[in-house]
Amino acid sequence: DAGVTQSPTHLIKTRGQQVTLRCSPKSGHDTVSWYQQALGQGPQFIFQYYEEEERQRGNFPDRFSGHQFPNYSSELNVNALLLGDSALYLCASSRGGRQETQYFGPGTRLLVL
Amino acid sequence: SQKIEQNSEALNIQEGKTATLTCNYTNYSPAYLQWYRQDPGRGPVFLLLIRENEKEKRKERLKVTFDTTLKQSLFHITASQPADSATYLCALLYSSASKIIFGSGTRLSIRP
Repeated sequence: DAGVTQSPTHLIKTRGQQVTLRCSPKSGHDTVSWYQQALGQGPQFIFQYYEEEERQRGNFPDRFSGHQFPNYSSELNVNALLLGDSALYLCASSRGGRQETQYFGPGTRLLVL
Repeated sequence: SQKIEQNSEALNIQEGKTATLTCNYTNYSPAYLQWYRQDPGRGPVFLLLIRENEKEKRKERLKVTFDTTLKQSLFHITASQPADSATYLCALLYSSASKIIFGSGTRLSIRP
């Protein structure tokens, strides 16, 4: 039973560039949530996708956008990267648009120079 | 806005003792409170969920309590082991399909 997978594992970008991160949910899950985790902090909720629509959104600017595909996988896009976007980006999957039990992926470490 | 506070200092416990971690929140009580474990460089792992109408939940050596009057949850690990060393995060949900708010975590070290 495959767990949540994310790609790439690490990424280095420069300010102003754009980045796309990918997530495949755990088998049987149809909901994907994205989080940003700065060093020494807890994860901060970016948004959730369910039924190919953004259902909930945290306090992140429009530079952060996403997409969910019919196979439930998801992408997180960040435009016009800032140094402060350097963080661990986590994807979590769950069922039915609910977040009571979430399974997290290993994350993508993004460094913006 | 809603705030969550966890033990700001790292917790160092002797093997075999009970580790107790605290999660305090402000304002209104959540519908659900979760606890996660996170190891360095890895994603959080879900441990336990407790609902607002539940006082206590247990799973093997883990116990979580939820006091909506004190606006506090306590997370206990009994008979602690060095393998329990990790960062523990609490998170609040205000409904089953709402935004989750995480605390910044408490780093727990169990010394042999």
